[in-house]
Amino acid sequence: EAQVTQNPRYLITVTGKKLTVTCSQNMNHEYMSWYRQDPGLGLRQIYYSMNVEVTDKGDVPEGYKVSRKEKRNFPLILESPSPNQTSLYFCASSRDRALAKNIQYFGAGTRLSVL
Amino acid sequence: GQNIDQPTEMTATEGAIVQINCTYQTSGFNGLFWYQQHAGEAPTFLSYNVLDGLEEKGRFSSFLSRSKGYSYLLLKELQMKDSASYLCAVRDQRSTDKLIFGTGTRLQVFP
Repeated sequence: EAQVTQNPRYLITVTGKKLTVTCSQNMNHEYMSWYRQDPGLGLRQIYYSMNVEVTDKGDVPEGYKVSRKEKRNFPLILESPSPNQTSLYFCASSRDRALAKNIQYFGAGTRLSVL
Repeated sequence: GQNIDQPTEMTATEGAIVQINCTYQTSGFNGLFWYQQHAGEAPTFLSYNVLDGLEEKGRFSSFLSRSKGYSYLLLKELQMKDSASYLCAVRDQRSTDKLIFGTGTRLQVFP
């Protein structure tokens, strides 16, 4: 089954304790992206990757890191989480950008609470 | 700047028709998407418009007017399971992948 898989689904942590949220897709997609979703603010892009070893900042990158060593995986790293990073996080992927529709497919989400 | 506006909340009755509007102002335009998102779940793709006009897919239709920076999602024969948030997203012309999302419209369907 074609899917984007995120882990963990739920995470409670404390300020300053490094964490990684994994994202994996089995659709051979080139493009992958991380979003955070907060009430009243909608989905905001954190980082994205156009292909392996190519990553770039989105609209709200502060406090986050990513890597793209393999095509299928795009982990989100919080080196020193802070309470303002409490949010619902989504990973998404999409196909070759030459295709017209280029639909983004989303993972199930990771609900993170930083105390 | 880039701005996408849609109503925050709407209510409707089972079996009725509802229209969710979206207006956008973006520096470039390369298509508009509608996603459905049930509470706490992932957004799922509903429709895509890049040319002016109406795209119909079962009970759902989406309309686009590029000159007016306007789109709407039309849901017919509403069912209780249609209670969800509906997200309007515009694809930035400078990148064929980047989506700019509106804050979403939460639709509640009542019996």
